[in-house]
Amino acid sequence: DAGVTQSPTHLIKTRGQQVTLRCSPKSGHDTVSWYQQALGQGPQFIFQYYEEEERQRGNFPDRFSGHQFPNYSSELNVNALLLGDSALYLCASSLRSDTDTQYFGPGTRLTVL
Amino acid sequence: QKEVEQNSGPLSVPEGAIASLNCTYSDRGSQSFFWYRQYSGKSPELIMSIYSNGDKEDGRFTAQLNKASQYVSLLIRDSQPSDSATYLCAVNTFSGGSNYKLTFGKGTLLTVNP
Repeated sequence: DAGVTQSPTHLIKTRGQQVTLRCSPKSGHDTVSWYQQALGQGPQFIFQYYEEEERQRGNFPDRFSGHQFPNYSSELNVNALLLGDSALYLCASSLRSDTDTQYFGPGTRLTVL
Repeated sequence: QKEVEQNSGPLSVPEGAIASLNCTYSDRGSQSFFWYRQYSGKSPELIMSIYSNGDKEDGRFTAQLNKASQYVSLLIRDSQPSDSATYLCAVNTFSGGSNYKLTFGKGTLLTVNP
């Protein structure tokens, strides 16, 4: 039973660039949530997708956008990167009927120079 | 006011001792509470969930919930060096409509000394 997978593992970008991160949910899961975890902080909720639509969003600017595909996989896009966007980006999957139980992927470490 | 607060730590306990981790939350409507363990450089792993007032035990772990005091705790009995990690408290907080989102505390770093 495949767990949550994310790619790439690490990424280095420069300010102003754009980045796309990818996530495949755990087998059978239909809901994907994205989190940003800065060093020394807890994960912060970015947004959640199910049925290919953004269903709720945290306090993140419009530079952060996403997409969910028919196979439930998801992408997180960040435009106009800032130094402060450097963080571990976590994807978590769950069932729509039980969004309490979220399984996290290994994360993508983004460094913005 | 932060929505979920944890004692900042770091917390250091000797092997075999009881480690006590605490968390308070601000949203009185929250119904679901979680403890995640995060090893350095890894992603969070769910170790306990609790929904009702009182204690919930799972092996060496006991979660305690007091909704009146808006307080959640995690006790780790017979602590082992392998328990050394950051422990994140997470609460399902209302985010509008019929939606709830997971809100995390900053985490408490636990070190278990052999």
